[in-house]
Amino acid sequence: DVKVTQSSRYLVKRTGEKVFLECVQDMDHENMFWYRQDPGLGLRLIYFSYDVKMKEKGDIPEGYSVSREKKERFSLILESASTNQTSMYLCASSPGTDIFFYGYTFGSGTRLTVV
Amino acid sequence: DQQVKQNSPSLSVQEGRISILNCDYTNSMFDYFLWYKKYPAEGPTFLISISSIKDKNEDGRFTVFLNKSAKHLSLHIVPSQPGDSAVYFCAASVGRNRDDKIIFGKGTRLHILP
Repeated sequence: DVKVTQSSRYLVKRTGEKVFLECVQDMDHENMFWYRQDPGLGLRLIYFSYDVKMKEKGDIPEGYSVSREKKERFSLILESASTNQTSMYLCASSPGTDIFFYGYTFGSGTRLTVV
Repeated sequence: DQQVKQNSPSLSVQEGRISILNCDYTNSMFDYFLWYKKYPAEGPTFLISISSIKDKNEDGRFTVFLNKSAKHLSLHIVPSQPGDSAVYFCAASVGRNRDDKIIFGKGTRLHILP
């Protein structure tokens, strides 16, 4: 069964900490994405990547950075965590072509609380 | 500016009846539409999709209808079951290739009542 695995289901971090959220996919997908989900705001795209060492800003990149050193791994970095970054973070991947048939495959999410 | 709109934050339906979730979009360039289902503490899962050359796509209990002139699509679930209680996201894409990102709506929470 193909998977997108996020390293942590729940995280509690302090304001100002540097936070790493890890995501690994085993489907050999080219594309990877980071979203956050908040009540009433739906899924908002933070960053995405179409290839190794490539990254593009999404709709809400402020306060975040990403790293993609290997095809299967896409990391989201909160440089200095703030309370407004408390959220559910979702990683997704998709093949390089034909997202129509496959859509995105999402991980189970990481619930991050910044205190 | 929201390109994909789900105007009902929540919907309650009796078990066994039809659930209809609605979605409107503003970008006439969208050619592909998808529905995702999300349970609490899990990632969204792909449910069903439709391309703009069709007006209907059916998969078991799930049917998606597309009205391009009205820029409206809907997801019908018949009959509704308790396991259908979840958040449903409508999504759209201009194309089907790697550069064509999927744009998501804010979601509708469906409650199936016993």
